[in-house]
Amino acid sequence: KAGVTQTPRYLIKTRGQQVTLSCSPISGHRSVSWYQQTPGQGLQFLFEYFSETQRNKGNFPGRFSGRQFSNSRSEMNVSTLELGDSALYLCASSSDETQYFGPGTRLLVL
Amino acid sequence: QKEVEQNSGPLSVPEGAIASLNCTYSDRGSQSFFWYRQYSGKSPELIMSIYSNGDKEDGRFTAQLNKASQYVSLLIRDSQPSDSATYLCAVNIRNYGGSQGNLIFGKGTKLSVKP
Repeated sequence: KAGVTQTPRYLIKTRGQQVTLSCSPISGHRSVSWYQQTPGQGLQFLFEYFSETQRNKGNFPGRFSGRQFSNSRSEMNVSTLELGDSALYLCASSSDETQYFGPGTRLLVL
Repeated sequence: QKEVEQNSGPLSVPEGAIASLNCTYSDRGSQSFFWYRQYSGKSPELIMSIYSNGDKEDGRFTAQLNKASQYVSLLIRDSQPSDSATYLCAVNIRNYGGSQGNLIFGKGTKLSVKP
């Protein structure tokens, strides 16, 4: 089975811009979770989607949003980017409680 | 605030030794526990999952769970330089409504295995 894929792998943006990241889960997995990883805060949960519905949400501002499509692919969007949004954004898919991570998208905000 | 705590390290062990990584968690209702390995610049890779008290062995890796003490550990036997990485402990925090919940991660322990 192919693993979780994320695009793009690297991204450079400037403050105030917005960005959309994409995630394709493992075939058959209906749950997609998003995490932000920074050196200072570690891995922090953003949100989880299941069958096109947001099922859980972490403690992030409303600038962070996401959606899931009928084929389970998911996107996350960050609007009005801030310098502090520079991070590795990880997507994980699961069919039960075990989550498998994609390679991540490294976002740099200048 | 539900938390997962790990020693940040670095933990340095000689090649062939046993590396012991520890993790404590605050949510007594947690049911599922995971260890991930993350090499520098890469994404986390699942090593072990454990759900019941006691030990679970997979090759050179043994996960240990003690729910009464809210403690999870990972032992790596015959440590190799290729085991040098950051090890992340993750705990599934159940939410109301029966959903699977989300993983809360510790900040990781950096392991260095010296040849």
